[in-house]
Amino acid sequence: SAVISQKPSRDICQRGTSLTIQCQVDSQVTMMFWYRQQPGQSLTLIATANQGSEATYESGFVIDKFPISRPNLTFSTLTVSNMSPEDSSIYLCSVSGLIGRGTDTQYFGPGTRLTVL
Amino acid sequence: DAKTTQPPSMDCAEGRAANLPCNHSTISGNEYVYWYRQIHSQGPQYIIHGLKNNETNEMASLIITEDRKSSTLILPHATLRDTAVYYCIVTTSLQGAQKLVFGQGTRLTINP
Repeated sequence: SAVISQKPSRDICQRGTSLTIQCQVDSQVTMMFWYRQQPGQSLTLIATANQGSEATYESGFVIDKFPISRPNLTFSTLTVSNMSPEDSSIYLCSVSGLIGRGTDTQYFGPGTRLTVL
Repeated sequence: DAKTTQPPSMDCAEGRAANLPCNHSTISGNEYVYWYRQIHSQGPQYIIHGLKNNETNEMASLIITEDRKSSTLILPHATLRDTAVYYCIVTTSLQGAQKLVFGQGTRLTINP
C-alpha cells in the first residue's frame, strides 16, 4: 500500500477565509482524489486531481469553491475557498494506480478535520 | 456503478466471527466488490476485494455468491479494535481510475 499524509490534520477557521490542504504520497501514483465527509455522513467524491490539467469535478462541486492543484505524481492540494460553517467536514485525499506495483486499489489519507466558525 | 445494500448496524461478541452481508443485485460482469472500513473518523482502510472467487487475506475473507448478487465479509476472530463502519462498494477497476461511491455502510460494534 501507499503511505499518505495530509496537512493540516485539523484546523479551525473563520468564515470568509480559505484553507489549503496538502496531500503527499510516498510513491508515484496515477490517480489522486479528494473526498468530503460531512458530520455523521458518508464520504462524497469532490473531484479527481489530474496531473498537468484541470481537475475533474463531480456534480455539485465547482472549481471556484474547491480549486485543486496536482503539480506532480506524488502531491496535490485542495483549497476550500470563502468558507462558511457548512464547509465544516473531514476532507480526505485518496490515491490509486501505484506506478510499478500493478494495483488499482484506492488508499486513503488520514483526513483533515475542518471546523468553520 | 451498481448500488449496494447493507444493514445499518450489527453487533458481535469479541473473539467470534463477524459476518457482514452486502447485497449488490445489479452488479455487472466487470464490477468488483470492495470492502473498506472507517474507524472513528479516520481515513477509510482498504480490507479486501474480489471479482468472482472467494478471497482471503490477513484481515478478512470475502465470500461472493455464485450469481454475484451478494457477498459476505468475514472477520474470523473479531477484536474490540474491529469496531468501525464497514463499507461495501461495487465498482469497475480501470487502471486505477475507479470512483468509489460510498453508501452509509454497516456500523459494527464488537462487544467484550
